[in-house]
Amino acid sequence: AQKITQTQPGMFVQEKEAVTLDCTYDTSDQSYGLFWYKQPSSGEMIFLIYQGSYDEQNATEGRYSLNFQKARKSANLVISASQLGDSAMYFCAMNFNAGGTSYGKLTFGQGTILTVHP
Amino acid sequence: DGGITQSPKYLFRKEGQNVTLSCEQNLNHDAMYWYRQDPGQGLRLIYYSQIVNDFQKGDIAEGYSVSREKKESFPLTVTSAQKNPTAFYLCASREGQLTDTQYFGPGTRLTVL
Repeated sequence: AQKITQTQPGMFVQEKEAVTLDCTYDTSDQSYGLFWYKQPSSGEMIFLIYQGSYDEQNATEGRYSLNFQKARKSANLVISASQLGDSAMYFCAMNFNAGGTSYGKLTFGQGTILTVHP
Repeated sequence: DGGITQSPKYLFRKEGQNVTLSCEQNLNHDAMYWYRQDPGQGLRLIYYSQIVNDFQKGDIAEGYSVSREKKESFPLTVTSAQKNPTAFYLCASREGQLTDTQYFGPGTRLTVL
């Protein structure tokens, strides 16, 4: 069975510092997609970044980058130059057998609450 | 502006009543999804639909029903058979085959009184 694990219930970071949020996964599939979402207190899930399992380069989107280590089955999110508005819950998610019979279904981790201090 | 809308934002239900949560998208996405989120938890899949007039059960479908009569709309009914319906409900649609990225609506918070 596929599983996503986020081992950090909460993380603290100083404003303008970088922070890494951990995500590990377990799957025997060769084709899968990795996603990170941000959920502020309002509740909406905001898509941040995507990485395909066959992508050789780590994905980047502005201040967000995904540290993808396929052999270790990890997909950590790095936020550079943290801002107060980054305080939120962050979820790692995956769809397995991407493009095949998964129908795009996402499996989510438990989330990490990030607090940015001024 | 393209996006996903959900209504109402807050919903209160008495025990034994069915309620329907609305989800509409104008992104021209074929696939749509319903998730449930309990406090401090991740999201769990309730139902999903790949095309109009077709839908499948997710991991926690018991006590829920859906319909997909139009591409733009995917309403979720929480029936009286759902034992613990108080939760935050999120609807999503998927852009297609390239990245399978799902985009979410703002959510509906359901409370059973």
